Amino acid sequence: GDSVTQMEGPVTLSEEAFLTINCTYTATGYPSLFWYVQYPGEGLQLLLKATKADDKGSNKGFEATYRKETTSFHLEKGSVQVSDSAVYFCALRDDKIIFGKGTRLHILP
Amino acid sequence: DAGITQSPRHKVTETGTPVTLRCHQTENHRYMYWYRQDPGHGLRLIHYSYGVKDTDKGEVSDGYSVSRSKTEDFLLTLESATSSQTSVYFCAIRGEGGDNQPQHFGDGTRLSIL
Repeated sequence: GDSVTQMEGPVTLSEEAFLTINCTYTATGYPSLFWYVQYPGEGLQLLLKATKADDKGSNKGFEATYRKETTSFHLEKGSVQVSDSAVYFCALRDDKIIFGKGTRLHILP
Repeated sequence: DAGITQSPRHKVTETGTPVTLRCHQTENHRYMYWYRQDPGHGLRLIHYSYGVKDTDKGEVSDGYSVSRSKTEDFLLTLESATSSQTSVYFCAIRGEGGDNQPQHFGDGTRLSIL
């Protein structure tokens, strides 16, 4: 069945560092791909999405490119801030939505 | 922010008692979902609804029931709560427009079963 695998955390970086959170997927169809972010005490919020191969989603300085050949949707940001500290979830939607287990990101000032 | 309100936000209760969590939306969206979030498991779907009185099971539905008597409310009931149901519960909604529409989440209910 469909699945999402993302790198385990926690990931700890210094402010202004480059961020990559890896996400790979398996799917029988042609899913849409999403990144969600969860701040402490809150629900998940959509960060960005891509609906077909080679699409790039972007928001708030974050980017992810839908790579069908490598079945990946890695999240990147060029310069992280303390306010980016949160848990990040990769997800796919084919006939239903499936979430990865989440990666906790901690940014040190 | 999407108009989703979960109530209560926190609840502590004892094993064997019934518990009902409420999700209320003001978006008139057709689809509503209940998830639980646990360390090491991410989000797991409990039940979902695709319209009034139309519901279906998710991957972890045992011990839970749901009801949707009107578009705006989706209730999750634990008939006889167990300690394994201690978790954070999230409601989500999704509008029409195909599978590329994202879900929007409430702020969660933290439930502790003693």
